Amino acid sequence: RKEVEQDPGPFNVPEGATVAFNCTYSNSASQSFFWYRQDCRKEPKLLMSVYSSGNEDGRFTAQLNRASQYISLLIRDSKLSDSATYLCVVNRNQGGKLIFGQGTELSVKP
Amino acid sequence: DAEITQSPRHKITETGRQVTLACHQTWNHNNMFWYRQDLGHGLRLIHYSYGVHDTNKGEVSDGYSVSRSNTEDLPLTLESAASSQTSVYFCASSDPGQQETQYFGPGTRLLVL
Repeated sequence: RKEVEQDPGPFNVPEGATVAFNCTYSNSASQSFFWYRQDCRKEPKLLMSVYSSGNEDGRFTAQLNRASQYISLLIRDSKLSDSATYLCVVNRNQGGKLIFGQGTELSVKP
Repeated sequence: DAEITQSPRHKITETGRQVTLACHQTWNHNNMFWYRQDLGHGLRLIHYSYGVHDTNKGEVSDGYSVSRSNTEDLPLTLESAASSQTSVYFCASSDPGQQETQYFGPGTRLLVL
């Protein structure tokens, strides 16, 4: 079993749709959680951190459930520019080493 | 502006050859990382360094080595390239005070024939 597992993709949605990505992690000692975004054939970039109380950044909302070891990302009012692969990332607090999920591909269509 | 660069961006080599991929960052970050990304596996950590002369093995270090002689550079060497090392390689760096934010280079696409 992989340490960080994500929903299989791809997700194909129309513009304006709401889409949710889920992620589970197996190491209960994990300390920090993030979503990174990766555009086709490019480098990953930090999208947002995920806090225990949940947090929002514009159309993006991230949630963390430590008891269930579950992380989610909700994108509201999808835009064409949201098309990318979304990576769930966990930090075990071991010197900044990040553990990446496989990623979930999102394609937003007109 | 500070940045992280990788070279070459594309490389074709033959099995058995030694290959070195360069990574250079101007963030002055102590932490640097090398990953490979393959379909079905996501990003996997190869080697990492927390400062000059410090190197550590990651999840998939066999067949790779790194050295850290200064803060800015962490070259990755494939000792004897194998077809299984065909992949996209990303270098990243982070500030120890902001460990969760890793800044990635643009990647090197390596094909081993």
